[in-house]
Amino acid sequence: TQLLEQSPQFLSIQEGENLTVYCNSSSVFSSLQWYRQEPGEGPVLLVTVVTGGEVKKLKRLTFQFGDARKDSSLHITAAQTGDTGLYLCAGEWEYGNKLVFGAGTILRVKS
Amino acid sequence: DTAVSQTPKYLVTQMGNDKSIKCEQNLGHDTMYWYKQDSKKFLKIMFSYNNKELIINETVPNRFSPKSPDKAHLNLHINSLELGDSAVYFCASSQLITSGDEQYFGPGTRLTVT
Repeated sequence: TQLLEQSPQFLSIQEGENLTVYCNSSSVFSSLQWYRQEPGEGPVLLVTVVTGGEVKKLKRLTFQFGDARKDSSLHITAAQTGDTGLYLCAGEWEYGNKLVFGAGTILRVKS
Repeated sequence: DTAVSQTPKYLVTQMGNDKSIKCEQNLGHDTMYWYKQDSKKFLKIMFSYNNKELIINETVPNRFSPKSPDKAHLNLHINSLELGDSAVYFCASSQLITSGDEQYFGPGTRLTVT
């Protein structure tokens, strides 16, 4: 059983479409991070959300932390082929001082 | 300059062998980590070190032994390799010991055990 459930596992869309990736848990996290990983490379941090209800925007990407700090979402507007990659959410678990990762969402944006 | 580097990038070896993966960071960070990413892309922490001191040992078999000669280096030695050890291993570093601090990942080492 994973602490963080990510959905969907795979997403294949056309360029220009919008999409949302979800990260859910029954546990409370001190903070939550979103990473993007390209093939053959390590994950790269996109954003960290800390406060319940917080919304952060990074160009066409919008990140939201749930009010109860148990879930988060990543919304991409007008997806581009360069958005293709593996998106990982990671929660700072308060009981272990460690990052717990979701299983990831593989996004493919077709031109 | 590469912030977090790992060597080798690829490692193919037979069951029963012993191998090492090296990691170096030039960011001046105090904390370093080893993660394992399985074939389903699930990333799980194995160890974390802060200023050469072991902080987290995440129920990893004793065949895995990390060593930190200084705070810029964290190496991973694996004894008696098994098929199930095949995975991509990532080294990472962060300035602070708190896990919520941004972690910088290396490019990964793809280990294949045959």
